[in-house]
This record gives sequence, structure tokens and C-alpha cells, in this order.
Amino acid sequence: KNEVEQSPQNLTAQEGEFITINCSYSVGISALHWLQQHPGGGIVSLFMLSSGKKKHGRLIATINIQEKHSSLHITASHPRDSAVYICAVSPNTGNQFYFGTGTSLTVIP
Amino acid sequence: DAGITQSPRHKVTETGTPVTLRCHQTENHRYMYWYRQDPGHGLRLIHYSYGVKDTDKGEVSDGYSVSRSKTEDFLLTLESATSSQTSVYFCAITAQGDYGYTFGSGTRLTVV
Repeated sequence: KNEVEQSPQNLTAQEGEFITINCSYSVGISALHWLQQHPGGGIVSLFMLSSGKKKHGRLIATINIQEKHSSLHITASHPRDSAVYICAVSPNTGNQFYFGTGTSLTVIP
Repeated sequence: DAGITQSPRHKVTETGTPVTLRCHQTENHRYMYWYRQDPGHGLRLIHYSYGVKDTDKGEVSDGYSVSRSKTEDFLLTLESATSSQTSVYFCAITAQGDYGYTFGSGTRLTVV
């Protein structure tokens, strides 16, 4: 049983395409996080959100608390966006995250 | 991230030997975590700490122990390494449970 499910698992896009990665979760949460991991690299936090929408450059994250669903959008994708994107949630109880298995994105020039 | 460092970055060890990984933070954060990352799995929690000498088990704690004798250091020990413990290990810190995490750069451990 996985508290966090992501789709798709793998995604290949042409440079310039609009990309959407989805995350669904099954527990009550205080916040949802989107993380980025480059090949061989560390993990960096992109967004933390508990409602609505956040935007940073070409990245947009949305969350619907009632539907327990979040999306990460990348506009005008670029090869440097190629990475694994991980959804994680902070449950209402406890002090640990639950992580999705990640979406591997490859953007082809 | 400059506020958290892991050592070593890479290690190869033999089955049956003890191994200790170190996580060091300069942020004075209360919470520290050890995760392992394996293909096909999300990050899985091994152990975490919510203060000096206060630790608790995660979902994959068997074969691992931890210690936190001071705020800045959280040590992960594999008492007797096995091939199933070959993985990438990440340390993470946070000031509070629902704040954002900061991750270390990871330690790639290979048990042969």
C-alpha cells in the first residue's frame, strides 16, 4: 500500500512541450511537496503547498485538497528539466513524509 | 545544500562488516532523517530523530541503528552489512514536521 501515487512513471517530451505530472495521495495532509532529483544528483525542494497554486519560473504546482490530488506543470520544457520529479506529503499526524516513487522526465532537444 | 553534508559520498564494503554513515547539519534543526532510495521504490524512512538522544524507527529499520549525541550529527550504522543494503542513502533535516526538507547529497553504498 502506497500512500502517494504518481503518474506517469516515465515521460518523454520534445523541447517546448507543456508537461503535466500528477500526484494522488490517500492520507490527510498538512502540506504537499514537489522535489526534483537530477541524475546522480541530490534532491532539491521545488514547492511546498497546502492549497491553491504556486508558480516559480516555468514551473507551476497546484493542489486540490478535497480530491487529494496535485499536479506539477512545466511550461516550455527544456532539456535541462530532465530529472526525476518526486511528490511527497506531510501527513497531519507524525513527523515524517510519505514519498511517491517519482516520475522520470526526459526532454529531447 | 551548504547546511547539510553527508559522508562518505561513496563507499564499497564487504558483507558482514560494520559501516557508519554520517550526516552533519549547521542549521540547528530539530528533526533529522535517514532514507534509502532504491529503484522502483520511493524514498523509504530508516530512522529519524526528533532531538538529541531521541530517535525512532521508520518502515525499513531492520539491520540499522542510529545515534544522535549532539544536535548537528546523526549517525547511521549498519551493524553487519548485507548485499540488500546496497543503496543510496539520503539524510534530510527540517525545523518542523510540516516544513520543507533539506536533503543531503546522498551516500552511495555498495556491499559486495
